[in-house]
Amino acid sequence: EDKVVQSPLSLVVHEGDTVTLNCSYEVTNFRSLLWYKQEKKAPTFLFMLTSSGIEKKSGRLSSILDKKELSSILNITATQTGDSAIYLCAVDWRNTGTASKLTFGTGTRLQVTL
Amino acid sequence: DAGITQSPRHKVTETGTPVTLRCHQTENHRYMYWYRQDPGHGLRLIHYSYGVKDTDKGEVSDGYSVSRSKTEDFLLTLESATSSQTSVYFCAMRRGGSPVDTQYFGPGTRLTVL
Repeated sequence: EDKVVQSPLSLVVHEGDTVTLNCSYEVTNFRSLLWYKQEKKAPTFLFMLTSSGIEKKSGRLSSILDKKELSSILNITATQTGDSAIYLCAVDWRNTGTASKLTFGTGTRLQVTL
Repeated sequence: DAGITQSPRHKVTETGTPVTLRCHQTENHRYMYWYRQDPGHGLRLIHYSYGVKDTDKGEVSDGYSVSRSKTEDFLLTLESATSSQTSVYFCAMRRGGSPVDTQYFGPGTRLTVL
């Protein structure tokens, strides 16, 4: 059965700290791994990773994929209260002849305090 | 994402009543998806569509049906709502091609079945 596991489930840090969120997966016909941020509304897209070892970066956020270890990490440096959210990891996969689909992890709830 | 809307945004209904949720996109994308989000389960795929009148089941399709008579509209119907279908429902569309081929989400519908 395809699955995506995220850790930790929740995290409380102080503003300015650096955090690392983890995602591991077991899926067949892997296409890509995605990270989304969800505040009190719809998930918003952060990164898509397809190649192992290539870091994607956007401001204070960065992510990297390790296809050998079937995992990914999302780093946030110099955290701010606006980073407080649920961070979702998803894997895009596709069986032959069908549309690609996403399988999501349950998310990591990050709370950044002053 | 501004290109995808959902209606209604909130609904309270009673067990046994039919309910239809609407997803509308303005970008003419082929692929659309319905998810439900529950605590401890993350986002789970209910049904998806790969074109007008072309739909298929996801991992939690029991009790749900869908229809897509126009590219821009994807309807999710609960034929006879049950309390276990109380959830937040998200619609997504897939923007294919470069630079990022992934799914973008509507604002969600919070459904309560009493």
